[in-house]
Amino acid sequence: ELKVEQNPLFLSMQEGKNYTIYCNYSTTSDRLYWYRQDPGKSLESLFVLLSNGAVKQEGRLMASLDTKARLSTLHITAAVHDLSATYFCAVDRAPGGGATNKLIFGTGTLLAVQP
Amino acid sequence: GAVVSQHPSWVICKSGTSVKIECRSLDFQATTMFWYRQFPKQSLMLMATSNEGSKATYEQGVEKDKFLINHASLTLSTLTVTSAHPEDSSFYICSNTGREGAYNEQFFGPGTRLTVL
Repeated sequence: ELKVEQNPLFLSMQEGKNYTIYCNYSTTSDRLYWYRQDPGKSLESLFVLLSNGAVKQEGRLMASLDTKARLSTLHITAAVHDLSATYFCAVDRAPGGGATNKLIFGTGTLLAVQP
Repeated sequence: GAVVSQHPSWVICKSGTSVKIECRSLDFQATTMFWYRQFPKQSLMLMATSNEGSKATYEQGVEKDKFLINHASLTLSTLTVTSAHPEDSSFYICSNTGREGAYNEQFFGPGTRLTVL
């Protein structure tokens, strides 16, 4: 059974600091997605990572994928309050480079950025 | 990206009643849509895949007779929670891929919050 785990589950950090959220998954999927969810809202797509070594950056967020280690990271640089949200990684259920569009979501990381 | 709408945004119903949730693909004809459920402070769980013109495929542990899915047109999928009970209270979110044959991204609707009293 495919499992996707995130670490940490909750993160409180000060503005201006850096931190990394980790996403580990248990199969060989090469398709990994990062989403943001604000309270009471649906999901906003942040990054789509489709190959080993993929790195994408948008503003203060940077995501990477290491398919050999089955690990993705979401790095936050110089956090600001507006980044406060819950962040989910998700993996396509299909093994290897396949795709089903059926996503298995990680446990989520609640990020609170304090002024 | 694709535009996905859901209706209603929030519904409160009595235990034992049925509730229908609509998911519309506004800018592309989706032969496949997906339904997820999210309990408070938890992650999203895939419930079923909605297939236009054919039966939905349900994930293990999801009761197909309780969660009826109808995908009668290329722009509309509906999820009906039959004989709802308080444990069905959840945030229901639908999604599609934005274009036929795409596997690179999923676009999520705004969600429907169901509260069963």
